[in-house]
Amino acid sequence: NAGVMQNPRHLVRRRGQEARLRCSPMKGHSHVYWYRQLPEEGLKFMVYLQKENIIDESGMPKERFSAEFPKEGPSILRIQQVVRGDSAAYFCASSPPGLAPGSYEQYFGPGTRLTVT
Amino acid sequence: QKEVEQNSGPLSVPEGAIASLNCTYSDRGSQSFFWYRQYSGKSPELIMFIYSNGDKEDGRFTAQLNKASQYVSLLIRDSQPSDSATYLCAVNQAGTALIFGKGTTLSVSS
Repeated sequence: NAGVMQNPRHLVRRRGQEARLRCSPMKGHSHVYWYRQLPEEGLKFMVYLQKENIIDESGMPKERFSAEFPKEGPSILRIQQVVRGDSAAYFCASSPPGLAPGSYEQYFGPGTRLTVT
Repeated sequence: QKEVEQNSGPLSVPEGAIASLNCTYSDRGSQSFFWYRQYSGKSPELIMFIYSNGDKEDGRFTAQLNKASQYVSLLIRDSQPSDSATYLCAVNQAGTALIFGKGTTLSVSS
């Protein structure tokens, strides 16, 4: 059973370019979460999605950032007009459906390291 | 503001000793409690989760939860050099985003 998959693993963008990060959840998982880890800082929640729905985007910056999880295909985190401060590790996590206690765990992908030059 | 607090460390223990990692949280509505291990440059790896007050054991790991004190801990018995990593405490309510502490760095010396 494949784990959470993310690509690319490393991404270099110049200031002003767009960055697209992809995440495929674990098989059978329908909930996707995106987190960002800045150097020397903790993991911070960005957005929570289910198929075709954004459930909670309270951690997303108001501008330049967007996320989607279409009916078919991976979840995508999109950063427009990147700035140096966007350089970070972006992690995707997934969890299974349902509200039973066993469904609360989130499993992380390997992350995408974004470097903005 | 929901917060999770951990001592940043480093916590240094000799090989074979017990490592004790602690975490407090501010949101009394928290329902689920997690410990992740993160090696440098890698992603967080889930090692333990606990929902009920008391202890939960899994191999060399024991998670302890005290909701009245808003306190959760992780004990690692027979610590090994390979346990050297940053340990992240995280909490959430059902199905919601995880709130992470900044992590405690553990160093196990051989």
